[in-house]
Amino acid sequence: EAGVAQSPRYKIIEKRQSVAFWCNPISGHATLYWYQQILGQGPKLLIQFQNNGVVDDSQLPKDRFSAERLKGVDSTLKIQPAKLEDSAVYLCASSSLAGGPAYEQYFGPGTRLTVT
Amino acid sequence: EDKVVQSPLSLVVHEGDTVTLNCSYEVTNFRSLLWYKQEKKAPTFLFMLTSSGIEKKSGRLSSILDKKELFSILNITATQTGDSAVYLCAVEATWNKLTFGKGITLSVRP
Repeated sequence: EAGVAQSPRYKIIEKRQSVAFWCNPISGHATLYWYQQILGQGPKLLIQFQNNGVVDDSQLPKDRFSAERLKGVDSTLKIQPAKLEDSAVYLCASSSLAGGPAYEQYFGPGTRLTVT
Repeated sequence: EDKVVQSPLSLVVHEGDTVTLNCSYEVTNFRSLLWYKQEKKAPTFLFMLTSSGIEKKSGRLSSILDKKELFSILNITATQTGDSAVYLCAVEATWNKLTFGKGITLSVRP
């Protein structure tokens, strides 16, 4: 089966600019996650969707970050305006089961964002 | 707030050495503990542990969980250069929420 797809793979922007990332989960996967991984740290969950509803967005900086998952399939994560500290890899993951085991989270290749 | 602490943060060994990677945690509604390997790309799943004292094994890698003392170890025997990577420990709470540690950077020299 095809894996989680993300685009772009790399993005360089200046601070205060806007940026959007796209994620296409594995077909049929109901749960979608966005993680932020700053260099030298583990991934941090930003937002979790169950179909097109938000399950957890407690660590999403809502003053500048937004995410949506229209129709419960693809998702976009937006940053507006970007700050230097947003430089990170943004990982998307998906899983098939609501409340199922976490090892079934499949990660995409990530988008590396550099804010200058 | 859920917390995962890994140690050491980095280590360098030679091929053939055995290494032990540590992970301690504090989390409410513990469901499982997971180990991942990350090589400059997305994390790949290694083990999931839910019960104390039961060792999970895959080739040269093994892991065990102590739910009383709230820690886990990942052992790698007869290390190879291909084992060089960042090893992430994550704890799962309800609704599949994963809290990751900072990771341990392992470098295996020939």
